[in-house]
Amino acid sequence: SQQGEEDPQALSIQEGENATMNCSYKTSINNLQWYRQNSGRGLVHLILIRSNEREKHSGRLRVTLDTSKKSSSLLITASRAADTASYFCATDARGSTLGRLYFGRGTQLTVWP
Amino acid sequence: DAGVTQSPTHLIKTRGQQVTLRCSPKSGHDTVSWYQQALGQGPQFIFQYYEEEERQRGNFPDRFSGHQFPNYSSELNVNALLLGDSALYLCASSPRGAWNTEAFFGQGTRLTVV
Repeated sequence: SQQGEEDPQALSIQEGENATMNCSYKTSINNLQWYRQNSGRGLVHLILIRSNEREKHSGRLRVTLDTSKKSSSLLITASRAADTASYFCATDARGSTLGRLYFGRGTQLTVWP
Repeated sequence: DAGVTQSPTHLIKTRGQQVTLRCSPKSGHDTVSWYQQALGQGPQFIFQYYEEEERQRGNFPDRFSGHQFPNYSSELNVNALLLGDSALYLCASSPRGAWNTEAFFGQGTRLTVV
């Protein structure tokens, strides 16, 4: 399976703390994307990192990619209660149909006020 | 600019019935992909459409079929519904050939089969 796997499955922190989620995958990729999902609704795109990139920032988000280890991490700094959601990594596998994404099971993040 | 829109938002059907879900892609996007997300799981790829044809299919039975219209909107049809088809169905759009750009998702249709 080319599916990514997030770790941990659940994360509970206080507001102001940092949250780190990890993702591992199995095959070569074109890119890796992180999405957020609130209460089982639609996916909101957070950040895309290409296979030739090692780190990207967007606001309070920092994503790293290590293609040699086939892993990525998402760091949310100074977390807020509104960050409570499920976070998914999705890989766009090299050689697959363009735009077909493979998702993991997600990390459920809870941020307590 | 309207994003990806899906209808209906919720649907309850009986086993054996048929259902049609609809998706309008983001403006400027011509490729539509459908995903099924069971409770507690990540989305699973069903199929992808562009130029009004199914281009690739995930591991789903033939009961799942689709269509894309000339205006790029799409439908997902599921026949002979099973209890296990209960899930959130997500539509994603992207511009064709843009293999390193993000996919935009709709809010999904929650299908419950009873």
